[in-house]
Amino acid sequence: DIQMTQSPSSLSASVGDRVTITCRASQTIATYLSWYQQKPGKAPKLLIYAASSLQSGVPSRFSGSGSGTDFTLTISSLQPEDFATYYCQQSYTSHFTFGPGTKVDIK
Amino acid sequence: QVQLVESGGGVVQPGTSLRLSCVASGFTFNNYGMHWVRQAPGKGLEWVAGIWYDGNDQYYGDSVRGRFTISRDNSKNTIFLHMNSLRAEDTAVYYCARDAVDCSGSTCHLDRFDSWGQGTLVTVSS
Repeated sequence: DIQMTQSPSSLSASVGDRVTITCRASQTIATYLSWYQQKPGKAPKLLIYAASSLQSGVPSRFSGSGSGTDFTLTISSLQPEDFATYYCQQSYTSHFTFGPGTKVDIK
Repeated sequence: QVQLVESGGGVVQPGTSLRLSCVASGFTFNNYGMHWVRQAPGKGLEWVAGIWYDGNDQYYGDSVRGRFTISRDNSKNTIFLHMNSLRAEDTAVYYCARDAVDCSGSTCHLDRFDSWGQGTLVTVSS
């Protein structure tokens, strides 16, 4: 199976900060990469798909980039409701795998 | 709007079986693939299994292959997860999720999870 890693595993940031999270695949996955946000006790929410396409209804401060093995999720100006854990997920094969997550909390 | 409601979770002993259900509404169920994703307490997300819109193909994560079976009944807008030989490490919240790709179009594949249920907790403990 394709292994996904994320960095950092956690970060502390302030409202208004620009935040970047990195996801790396163990082999090329083209742009078969999605990003999710999860808040405590809630189901995950799809943010980005195909590496850089914004899911309907998701604020434009979220953006994604990358292809091959290296990807980034950027929040251009962190808002109070963005404090959460973020996961990447590959769909290059039908044995999907998630990254271990990046927790974003308040500095 | 899309709604997914899971049921069937509970406390079971190791080695036993359990069946989870997920009833879908708010969309044309037989146009979409479906998945189960789980999350152990305090841990990250783990994809468990996926099934094509017509039920003809199923895929499984390595940790459950051979023990779990995903199925669907399109006449009842429902998917199932049959779990056998349960282990302590299967303890998790199990989410039902819809695949985002509408297979009524020109392309069809399993890709990403755009709608999720609230989850059902399975605890495997003696």
